[in-house]
Amino acid sequence: QLQLLQSGPGLVKPSETLSLSCSVSGASVISSVYSWAWIRQPPGESLEWVGTIHYTGTVFYKPALKSRLTISVDTSKDQFSLRLDAVTAADTAQYFCARQRRGLGNFDLWGQGTVVTVSS
Amino acid sequence: EIVLTQSPATLSLSPGETATLSCRASQSVSSYLAWYQQKPGQAPRLLIYDASNRATDIPARFSGSGSGTDFTLTISSLEPEDFAMYYCQQRANWPITFGQGTRLEIK
Repeated sequence: QLQLLQSGPGLVKPSETLSLSCSVSGASVISSVYSWAWIRQPPGESLEWVGTIHYTGTVFYKPALKSRLTISVDTSKDQFSLRLDAVTAADTAQYFCARQRRGLGNFDLWGQGTVVTVSS
Repeated sequence: EIVLTQSPATLSLSPGETATLSCRASQSVSSYLAWYQQKPGQAPRLLIYDASNRATDIPARFSGSGSGTDFTLTISSLEPEDFAMYYCQQRANWPITFGQGTRLEIK
């Protein structure tokens, strides 16, 4: 069964780096049809697109996060990852990975979510 | 970036009634608008893409319409499991943006 399985710490200290991974189970990240995305949701707030990557390495970042953000893909592990540097309390959120249909731009499969709290 | 404004913020209805949710874009997004449902503690679920196309396994009581800047999600004959948060999302321009959501609650 196709699933996105997230992993990573739930607590990160201010100024440190947040790192999350998303494993694609039951399929390959190598796809001409799909890209792979990260979306976050601060407590009690709406959804915020963070960034999208295709297995070829083409990547799009939310402009406000671009200077701190790296999204990468590992085709050998069918996994993609998020790295956010110099985090602050404003980065506290539930982070979701998702599959994004190329050309349609919507997110049709989601990971289970990881609640990340930035606190000392 | 394109701002999506959803209304109302909260909609209180009874099972069996029809819900009409609105999403307005700050500039034209053509038909490149999707709708999601999110229940507490869960990831969002894609309902509608490209304004009016139902996603896989979505019941026919969910329908979408609109183009340009004004869009509507209609849920007919509300079922108890339909009471949740609903978000619209545009993909016309980067960055992708979401609306602030409409809470559909049981009256």
